[in-house]
Amino acid sequence: DGGITQSPKYLFRKEGQNVTLSCEQNLNHDAMYWYRQDPGQGLRLIYYSQIVNDFQKGDIAEGYSVSREKKESFPLTVTSAQKNPTAFYLCASSIGGRTEAFFGQGTRLTVV
Amino acid sequence: AQSVTQPDIHITVSEGASLELRCNYSYGATPYLFWYVQSPGQGLQLLLKYFSGDTLVQGIKGFEAEFKRSQSSFNLRKPSVHWSDAAEYFCAVGAGDKIIFGKGTRLHILP
Repeated sequence: DGGITQSPKYLFRKEGQNVTLSCEQNLNHDAMYWYRQDPGQGLRLIYYSQIVNDFQKGDIAEGYSVSREKKESFPLTVTSAQKNPTAFYLCASSIGGRTEAFFGQGTRLTVV
Repeated sequence: AQSVTQPDIHITVSEGASLELRCNYSYGATPYLFWYVQSPGQGLQLLLKYFSGDTLVQGIKGFEAEFKRSQSSFNLRKPSVHWSDAAEYFCAVGAGDKIIFGKGTRLHILP
């Protein structure tokens, strides 16, 4: 089945640690996105990538980093510089900019 | 700047009643518009989309939306809601090389 896979579903991190969230897609989509979701805030764009080896900052990129070495993969690292990392993280992909995005099931990150 | 506004944070309707969720967008060019639905703890599922052509678009689960350029709106409607429609609904606009979302409307259904 084609789709987007995010792992793990739940993730716990100690303060001061970096953690990497995985996102893989087999839809052959060029564009991939990372959003952060907090209650009442909707989806806020962290980073996005239109092609391999290229990515752009979204509205809330501080404290996050990404890589796009393969078309299928777009991992997100939450660094210790992110002051409030506890949130629900959603990865998405699309054929290209402006077209509809398909979402993974999300990763809930909790800092303990 | 591009933006999406969903003025209603929560809406409560009785099962079997009609539904309209409001969405206004700000985008300088011809917009690509979307409605998504999210169940708790899950990802987002696309309900419908508008790119061009007929301004009334049909989606899955009996939903429809109407694009009104003069009002910069893309309201979502359903003639008769079911208890399973309780969820959060997001309006979005394709802007340049990214997709911008509203803050969502949570729909509650009364039995």
